[in-house]
Amino acid sequence: QKEVEQDPGPLSVPEGAIVSLNCTYSNSAFQYFMWYRQYSRKGPELLMYTYSSGNKEDGRFTAQVDKSSKYISLFIRDSQPSDSATYLCAMSNGGATNKLIFGTGTLLAVQP
Amino acid sequence: GAVVSQHPSRVICKSGTSVKIECRSLDFQATTMFWYRQFPKQSLMLMATSNEGSKATYEQGVEKDKFLINHASLTLSTLTVTSAHPEDSSFYICSARDLAYTQYFGPGTRLTVL
Repeated sequence: QKEVEQDPGPLSVPEGAIVSLNCTYSNSAFQYFMWYRQYSRKGPELLMYTYSSGNKEDGRFTAQVDKSSKYISLFIRDSQPSDSATYLCAMSNGGATNKLIFGTGTLLAVQP
Repeated sequence: GAVVSQHPSRVICKSGTSVKIECRSLDFQATTMFWYRQFPKQSLMLMATSNEGSKATYEQGVEKDKFLINHASLTLSTLTVTSAHPEDSSFYICSARDLAYTQYFGPGTRLTVL
């Protein structure tokens, strides 16, 4: 079993839809949770950063962490064609090495 | 936001040659940088952790003599692929960690070995 599981998609939605992206994990020591967006042939861009459980909102993006269920989500409201990319969840235990463990990424396509 | 650059963005080389990739944190100091490798349609695979002024820590299965890492300053880490072969062709991405322990990624370097 992988430490972090993420549905690879692809996920296709119409413009304006609400998108829900999810990851599950098995390591209860994870404390820091991140969502990165990666466009084709580019480096990942940090979208959201959350510590422990709870919600965090930034514009059209909302990140949720449920540590009791070992489940994290990213919601995108009013999705735009420019949101079409691969979304990677990542997490770490915040230790000295701070290694990030990534999901496989979900490919999202927002159709105009 | 924090900016990390990589150079070159793309390199094509002949088999047997060595290639150096630079990773720079432009607006913050990074005592720790990371090097990843990414195959098409796959997630990032951590290769090594680079600490300023000390030896890099390599992940299991990564040949340290083949992938030489130097982190000589708080804003620069280099990855040298020595005696490159076609199987080393990949997308190499670095990240730099700031004081808040957040990792920011560079734009990546696409290496093609002929």
